[in-house]
Parts: sequence; C-alpha cells; structure tokens
Amino acid sequence: EPEVTQTPSHQVTQMGQEVILRCVPISNHLYFYWYRQILGQKVEFLVSFYNNEISEKSEIFDDQFSVERPDGSNFTLKIRSTKLEDSAMYFCASSDMVSGNTDTQYFGPGTRLTVL
Amino acid sequence: GDSVTQMEGPVTLSEEAFLTINCTYTATGYPSLFWYVQYPGEGLQLLLKATKADDKGSNKGFEATYRKETTSFHLEKGSVQVSDSAVYFCALGADSWGKLQFGAGTQVVVTP
Repeated sequence: EPEVTQTPSHQVTQMGQEVILRCVPISNHLYFYWYRQILGQKVEFLVSFYNNEISEKSEIFDDQFSVERPDGSNFTLKIRSTKLEDSAMYFCASSDMVSGNTDTQYFGPGTRLTVL
Repeated sequence: GDSVTQMEGPVTLSEEAFLTINCTYTATGYPSLFWYVQYPGEGLQLLLKATKADDKGSNKGFEATYRKETTSFHLEKGSVQVSDSAVYFCALGADSWGKLQFGAGTQVVVTP
C-alpha cells in the first residue's frame, strides 16, 4: 500500500538555525499539507499546497516558514530561523482530493524537531 | 471558528470492554468528520469517516455516527483488544482545500 514518508525521523538543531523537513507524498496525490503537534497539545494545521502554490495557511505559518515542491516527488517545509517554540512533531499529509473536504488525507510518521 | 472537543485521556480498559470516546464539534458549514488513530511510533491513520448527517462510519469494529442535532461524532467499539491501545483523534474537515481541525487526542490503554 502506498504511504507518505518523512525524513528525518528526528532533527535536533540550535536556535536560529535553518531546518528543512522532507516528505514524499503518495505519488498520484495532488494536495499536500503540513501539520504540527507540540508535545501534549493538539495537531495543528500549518499549510496546504496545490498546483505549486500555497492554497491556505494558518496564523502559525509566518514568514519564517516556507514550503516547496522542488521536484516531482518531494515536498519540503523550511523553517528559516528556528525558535525554541518550534519544537514539535511535524506531520506531512497528502490527498488526491477528488471530492473536496470529504477526502482522506494520508499522513506520514512525522519528524520530531527539537530546538535547543 | 470551527473546533473539535474530545474527551481527555488516558482511558484505561480491560480487554473485551466497551469503549466510547466522546467528540463534539462546532462548525458553521457542513463538515466531514473523521477519526484518526496513532499507534506508538507511527503516523496518523484514518480509522473511519462520515461526510453528512446520520452517516455511520465503521472500520475494524469501530463505529461513529454523525449526529447533527447534538453536533457529535462519538467513537465506539464493543470489545477492545490490547492491539487497540493508541491515541485516537477526532477531526473535522470543513473547507474546500481539505484543512483538518483536530481534537486534542485521547489515549486509550487496553490491558490484558
């Protein structure tokens, strides 16, 4: 069964450093998402991406964040200058979105980001 | 704005017990409702979904019915197994780009 993969599984970085989290969505999917979960809190939506552009983003997704689909398979989340409060589990998801909001999103296993 | 509230955990049960996890939602439109499950060390997996009022989603012995009148989508299973130990997330999808709003998650621990 096809699945969403994410690398690395755990990333440790120093405050102020840039990090890139990588995701490989399911190959025929067209809609991509990033979510995050700070330890002990809810899973929060960050951004959705379709047709090589951001379709929606949350208030969390400020200028420090960016997303890119650099080739036909990868989908990346970049945090330009990490802050302590960026420490969280980051989940990538993809969907083929045939039917709008009813469609299933398939999630990757997550990248745990630790900012020191 | 749209939101999801689910019961706090952890919920600890013995094997073969009945499980209920309450989930209520607030939404202005006509959302779809989902239950996702996260097993230890894994990502979120869709467990079941319902796209309109009175729909019942079911999978692996779990069921949930979309109740518009009570704005609820409670998850139930008649006889849990140790392998059902996981964190369960209720989620709402209400916009055309598919953004999901999640509840806080409920940890379920099933003991032999």
